Amino acid sequence: EAQVTQNPRYLITVTGKKLTVTCSQNMNHEYMSWYRQDPGLGLRQIYYSMNVEVTDKGDVPEGYKVSRKEKRNFPLILESPSPNQTSLYFCATWTVMNTEAFFGQGTRLTVV
Amino acid sequence: DQQVKQNSPSLSVQEGRISILNCDYTNSMFDYFLWYKKYPAEGPTFLISISSIKDKNEDGRFTVFLNKSAKHLSLHIVPSQPGDSAVYFCAASANNAGNNRKLIWGLGTSLAVNP
Repeated sequence: EAQVTQNPRYLITVTGKKLTVTCSQNMNHEYMSWYRQDPGLGLRQIYYSMNVEVTDKGDVPEGYKVSRKEKRNFPLILESPSPNQTSLYFCATWTVMNTEAFFGQGTRLTVV
Repeated sequence: DQQVKQNSPSLSVQEGRISILNCDYTNSMFDYFLWYKKYPAEGPTFLISISSIKDKNEDGRFTVFLNKSAKHLSLHIVPSQPGDSAVYFCAASANNAGNNRKLIWGLGTSLAVNP
C-alpha cells in the first residue's frame, strides 16, 4: 500500500526547543515536499527535494531546515521553534512523470 | 502574487445538485492541473487531473474542464453528495528548468453539501 508517514501527528513544544518532524514514503518517488497550512493562506510550500541530496527553498523556508540523505525520508527540522510556526504541516511526494502528489496525514504543531 | 486563484473561499450546494468549483491561473507555462480534496485532520487526497492538451477529463461524478484561452479550469461534481463536503484545492505545475515539477496551489474552496 502506497504510504506517506509523518510523525508525530501532534506536538506541543516550547519556544527554542529544537524539534524534528519525520516523513517517510514507500513509493520510491523522486520529489518530496513540506507544506504548512494556515487559515486563509492555503498550502504554502516550505522546502522541496527533487532527489537525494537535492533540496531547495519553497515559499516560506525561514526558520526551517530539511535534509534528503535517503530517497524515502525527508525530515523537517525546526532548530529554534517560535510561536509563528504553530501550524498544520503536511509532507507530500510525487514523481517527475506524474505530479499526482500523495500526502501524509499531517502534523499539528503548537509552539508556546 | 497568487499564480493559482480560487476566488470563492466557500460554496454551499444542495444534495443531488451540481457543484462547480472554479480556479484561475496566470502562468501560461502551466501544463498540468490537479484537484485535491481535503477533509479536516487529514492530508489532501488526489481527485482528478487534466493535461493542458485536453479540455475535459471525466471520472465518475467528477469532471474537470480546462479553458486555456481564459486560463480557467473548473471542477464539476454531479450529483453532489454530503460526503463531498470538504475543502477542494486546485494545483498547477509546469516543467521548469532542470525538470523541476513544482506544484503551485490555490487557497482552497470549502464545499458544503446540504442534505
